Amino acid sequence: DTTVKQNPRYKLARVGKPVNLICSQTMNHDTMYWYQKKPNQAPKLLLFYYDKILNREADTFEKFQSSRPNNSFCSLYIGSAGLEYSAMYLCASSRAQKYEQYFGPGTRLTVL
Amino acid sequence: GDKVKQSPSALSLQEGTNSALRCNFSIAATTVQWFLQNPRGSLINLFYLVPGTKENGRLKSAFDSKESYSTLHIRDAQLEDSGTYFCAAETTGNTGKLIFGLGTTLQVQP
Repeated sequence: DTTVKQNPRYKLARVGKPVNLICSQTMNHDTMYWYQKKPNQAPKLLLFYYDKILNREADTFEKFQSSRPNNSFCSLYIGSAGLEYSAMYLCASSRAQKYEQYFGPGTRLTVL
Repeated sequence: GDKVKQSPSALSLQEGTNSALRCNFSIAATTVQWFLQNPRGSLINLFYLVPGTKENGRLKSAFDSKESYSTLHIRDAQLEDSGTYFCAAETTGNTGKLIFGLGTTLQVQP
C-alpha cells in the first residue's frame, strides 16, 4: 500500500486566520514532504522532515511551520493566511531521502 | 521551471497514436520521477528512474544523466491518458528535494 492521505481535501480560510493541514502515511516512511502547487506553476518544496529533523526552504522559512509527532503523521501550519497562500498543498513521503516519493491527493486551500 | 525544462508545454493527440514528452535538465540530475496529475489534482507516480529505461504497459521512460534529459513515450494513446505530466529531478547535494518542470498538458482526442 503506497497511500498517503491528506485532510481536509478542501479548505476555505479567511485572511489573517490560521490554517492547519494534515498528512498521514502508514508505509513507515521516514521522510515526509510538503509542496505548494499553484496553477500553471511547478510544485514547489516548502519543507520536509527526515525522521524528527525539520528542513525548511530558505524562501519559505518564515511562512510555514510543521510538526511531526510520530512517524506516520505530519502537519503544515500557516499562522496567518494571506491571499497568496491559496494553492494546492501536496504531501509526499519516501522511505528515506533520495528514494521515490509518493504523493497524497492534496488539499486545495482557498483564502478569502 | 528553469532547471527542469519540459517540452512540449501542451500536446493534442488522436486516440491510438504515439508521442514522446521530454525533460531537459540544467542541473546534475541523479534520479528522475514522472507523474501524471489527474483532473482532481493528485499526482500519480508513473516512473522512478536512475539512469536507464523502464517500461510499464503503454508507457516507456528513459533517463540519460550524462546527456541530462529524460523522455516519456506514450504508445497507443487512450482518452484516460489525458492530463498534465510532470517530471521531477533530484540532484547531488539536494538530498530529498525534487525539482519539478512546469509540466506537459496532454489532451487525447477521440
